[in-house]
Amino acid sequence: DSGVTQTPKHLITATGQRVTLRCSPRSGDLSVYWYQQSLDQGLQFLIQYYNGEERAKGNILERFSAQQFPDLHSELNLSSLELGDSALYFCASSEGTGPQFNSPLHFGNGTRLTVT
Amino acid sequence: AQTVTQSQPEMSVQEAETVTLSCTYDTSENNYYLFWYKQPPSRQMILVIRQEAYKQQNATENRFSVNFQKAAKSFSLKISDSQLGDTAMDFCAFLNNDMRFGAGTRLTVKP
Repeated sequence: DSGVTQTPKHLITATGQRVTLRCSPRSGDLSVYWYQQSLDQGLQFLIQYYNGEERAKGNILERFSAQQFPDLHSELNLSSLELGDSALYFCASSEGTGPQFNSPLHFGNGTRLTVT
Repeated sequence: AQTVTQSQPEMSVQEAETVTLSCTYDTSENNYYLFWYKQPPSRQMILVIRQEAYKQQNATENRFSVNFQKAAKSFSLKISDSQLGDTAMDFCAFLNNDMRFGAGTRLTVKP
């Protein structure tokens, strides 16, 4: 058990809808990362937060947004969903950010989103 | 931006044999960390091994070891005594301000 909790585990919704994915980081971790993994693909980095502030942005669509709350949990909002958004969305957490922290990322089990 | 390249989409190895997975990366940074993660059919992401760029000594973790060549920006993973449970997607990852992953190598261990 990595200590990172993602809810829900599965989500099925229709095109054009909006969903929210939730992540609770491991106790003591201040950084939260979001990744998207389409079928048989690698992990695409979406966005990173550190202690409530956005730290790095990857290939995140404008239809997607995220935030990290004061209690350090994070939410990823996906709107105007398209069929191509179907994927496994991972949240990961780590102690800090930047090379001064060598702690690896600890991953949740992912949320599987299916857009029909 | 940092890029991570895994040039072997698929690899297979016989049980108990040794296999080496390749990874190269591109960065202008001097201080960073490298990782190998595996993703078994359960789709969980599991840390296999890590390497600090400032350390010349190659990391070793039981049957797993790396060959880190900083000048060549190469970070290969050697799996010794391969086991059926090693069947997974293996991802190389680069950490500086954020963590970027390679496209992965699908490793199959054959009995």
